Amino acid sequence: KAGVTQTPRYLIKTRGQQVTLSCSPISGHRSVSWYQQTPGQGLQFLFEYFSETQRNKGNFPGRFSGRQFSNSRSEMNVSTLELGDSALYLCASSVRETEGSYNEQFFGPGTRLTVL
Amino acid sequence: SQQGEEDPQALSIQEGENATMNCSYKTSINNLQWYRQNSGRGLVHLILIRSNEREKHSGRLRVTLDTSKKSSSLLITASRAADTASYFCATDETTDSWGKLQFGAGTQVVVTP
Repeated sequence: KAGVTQTPRYLIKTRGQQVTLSCSPISGHRSVSWYQQTPGQGLQFLFEYFSETQRNKGNFPGRFSGRQFSNSRSEMNVSTLELGDSALYLCASSVRETEGSYNEQFFGPGTRLTVL
Repeated sequence: SQQGEEDPQALSIQEGENATMNCSYKTSINNLQWYRQNSGRGLVHLILIRSNEREKHSGRLRVTLDTSKKSSSLLITASRAADTASYFCATDETTDSWGKLQFGAGTQVVVTP
């Protein structure tokens, strides 16, 4: 099976702009989670989507949003970018609510966002 | 906020030696997982241990979990240069927190030939 794919891999934006990142989960995985990784804050959970609905949310401002499509692909959007949004954004997929599954997350390579 | 804290923050060993790192967490958990990350790339899932398990093995990896002390350890035996990476523990707190993992700060492991 192909792994989790994320596009684009690298992105440079300026303050005030908005950005959309894309994630395609492993085939058959219906749960997609997003994380932000920075040197200062480490890995922080953004949100999780399952069946096109946001099921869990982390402590991020409303500028961070996401959605999931019927084919389980997910996008996250960050509006009005700030310098502090520079980070590696990781997407993870998993098989949710299936007997024998225990929240094992399979991560993509990430999108490196730089805000200038 | 981070649930887990790894110890040590950095570890330097030679090939063939064992590497041990520890993780402490704050609240009750369902599961604890260990992940590896190479040079700022994506995380690779290594092993999951459930809250009712005490020890688990996978190849050269051995994980222990002590829920009374809220701590876990990861042992990598006979380390190789390819084991050079950052290692993170991650916990999930309740059955409603699917996909929502709390990560520690990580242990940077350098294995020299």
